[in-house]
Amino acid sequence: LAKTTQPVSMDSYEGQEVNITCSHNNIATNDYITWYQQFPSQGPRFIIQGYKTKVTNEVASLFIPADRKSSTLSLPRVSLSDTAVYYCLVGDMNDMRFGAGTRLTVKP
Amino acid sequence: GAGVSQSPSNKVTEKGKDVELRCDPISGHTALYWYRQSLGQGLEFLIYFQGNSAPDKSGLPSDRFSAERTGGSVSTLTIQRTQQEDSAVYLCASSPDHYGYTFGSGTRLTVV
Repeated sequence: LAKTTQPVSMDSYEGQEVNITCSHNNIATNDYITWYQQFPSQGPRFIIQGYKTKVTNEVASLFIPADRKSSTLSLPRVSLSDTAVYYCLVGDMNDMRFGAGTRLTVKP
Repeated sequence: GAGVSQSPSNKVTEKGKDVELRCDPISGHTALYWYRQSLGQGLEFLIYFQGNSAPDKSGLPSDRFSAERTGGSVSTLTIQRTQQEDSAVYLCASSPDHYGYTFGSGTRLTVV
């Protein structure tokens, strides 16, 4: 199971782009990178998943360099409602072990 | 159903009592996880079911905890002789085929 390292917390302002980087130096060949978002008093919500290069959906983009030892979740033009904890998971498709996550606070 | 359903949403129990927490995954989802989350903390893995394979129980904190999944659908997490440190939100998640998991809203367990 690849260990992940994320910043404990980040602050941003409304309208800014936020990039959260996750380090996973010992990622295995068959591991995927998945990000979840969790609001207080709710279960985590799937955001995006990727294996290599770039993945984009309606919510976020995920950038993965060629060596796959890190990944960056990019949230465009954040709003106050994006304040949440963001978790990076690395493993095969059925390996769902959460780390401590990054607490993002968006300020007005 | 449309999502993962967990019941009860809240449970208050006396120390030493047994409790059962239920998870109804999305129909057809073969993979199911149980986690617990203490206030302000991250998610702690408890147990993982995948189809008819033997479950991965490596996260269960003690032998007071057990879980089963009947017919590859509904799952029940049982905590025997509850202790105050068992107080947490217990979350269930399911997935159809290895792509993204859907979480339930959780059961908030309070042991008094």
